Amino acid sequence: GQNIDQPTEMTATEGAIVQINCTYQTSGFNGLFWYQQHAGEAPTFLSYNVLDGLEEKGRFSSFLSRSKGYSYLLLKELQMKDSASYLCAVVKSSASKIIFGSGTRLSIRP
Amino acid sequence: GAVVSQHPSRVICKSGTSVKIECRSLDFQATTMFWYRQFPKKSLMLMATSNEGSKATYEQGVEKDKFLINHASLTLSTLTVTSAHPEDSSFYICSARDRGGRGSTDTQYFGPGTRLTVL
Repeated sequence: GQNIDQPTEMTATEGAIVQINCTYQTSGFNGLFWYQQHAGEAPTFLSYNVLDGLEEKGRFSSFLSRSKGYSYLLLKELQMKDSASYLCAVVKSSASKIIFGSGTRLSIRP
Repeated sequence: GAVVSQHPSRVICKSGTSVKIECRSLDFQATTMFWYRQFPKKSLMLMATSNEGSKATYEQGVEKDKFLINHASLTLSTLTVTSAHPEDSSFYICSARDRGGRGSTDTQYFGPGTRLTVL
């Protein structure tokens, strides 16, 4: 089986920085995705990490530690449009299936 | 980026009827597609893996006779919800894996989703 844990809700201020953590336990790990999902829409790809370390892409960065089963998504210079759910998802190498965490609903206040 | 479409985007049907949802990869071939279901304020739950030319692989707890999946070509998978009931009302999302290896090996591209409401 697999367990993917992330906080249910977070609140942050416009212009600030927020870090969303994700811990996982799974067999056959083959990478971790972060997706953004606005209400009523399909998820959109943010990042993919398969090696340890930090991947930076504009205002968003994602970090992975395979030995610790831990990842985080870092959002800088927050904008109101960043209010959304952020989904941590693990790829199981045995079948290339993506298993999603429960998601973190991020609210940005002015 | 790669484009995946779903049709219809919204459907309302009466209890007991069957509903077919199509998932198409528009600019790449997908040997594997995935079907997810999402209830309000919940995350995506993988229902089944659809493989072109072979039977779908269902996740534990998903009734294969109720959720029929057909992956007839490299660009089309269909999900049919048979004898739908109100508890089947949900947001159904498909994703497709690029056979050509565009981007990372396991990058999947999501369709826009289909909102099913069963009265």
